[in-house]
Amino acid sequence: EAQVTQNPRYLITVTGKKLTVTCSQNMNHEYMSWYRQDPGLGLRQIYYSMNVEVTDKGDVPEGYKVSRKEKRNFPLILESPSPNQTSLYFCASSWMTSGSEQFFGPGTRLTVL
Amino acid sequence: SQQGEEDPQALSIQEGENATMNCSYKTSINNLQWYRQNSGRGLVHLILIRSNEREKHSGRLRVTLDTSKKSSSLLITASRAADTASYFCATDEKTSYDKVIFGPGTSLSVIP
Repeated sequence: EAQVTQNPRYLITVTGKKLTVTCSQNMNHEYMSWYRQDPGLGLRQIYYSMNVEVTDKGDVPEGYKVSRKEKRNFPLILESPSPNQTSLYFCASSWMTSGSEQFFGPGTRLTVL
Repeated sequence: SQQGEEDPQALSIQEGENATMNCSYKTSINNLQWYRQNSGRGLVHLILIRSNEREKHSGRLRVTLDTSKKSSSLLITASRAADTASYFCATDEKTSYDKVIFGPGTSLSVIP
């Protein structure tokens, strides 16, 4: 089944404790992206990747890191989480950068205390 | 930056009625897409319309695009309770092919 998976689905952590949210897709998509969703703000793009070893900042990259060592995986790293990073996070992938449907993962609900 | 802005923020209608949601954006775009999200779950793609298209249909969905007004509308005809969800427009700016920007969404409630 074609899908985007994220892990973990739920995470409660404390300020400053490094964490990684994994994202994997099995559709051989080139484009992958991370978003955060906050009430009233819709989805805001954190980072995106056009292909292996090619990443770029979205609208809200501060406090996040990503890597794209393999085509299928695009982990999101929070080196020192803070409470303002409490949010619902979505990973997405698509065939190309512009003009193609994005497939979304189920979301990761992160709470930083 | 907020490229897409949906209007209204919330909409409540009776089953069988039509629902219309609007999206406005600020800069020139290559494409505009509409997505649907059921409460707290991942987004599902509904339809894509390119900047050189004016109207597109998919089942009960009709999307229009007016590039001169920088706006799009999504019409859901003969709504069903199962259409209850949030609807988002997403655009990619002409100057940045790789960024996708979502609006804050319209929350649709269809009352049986």
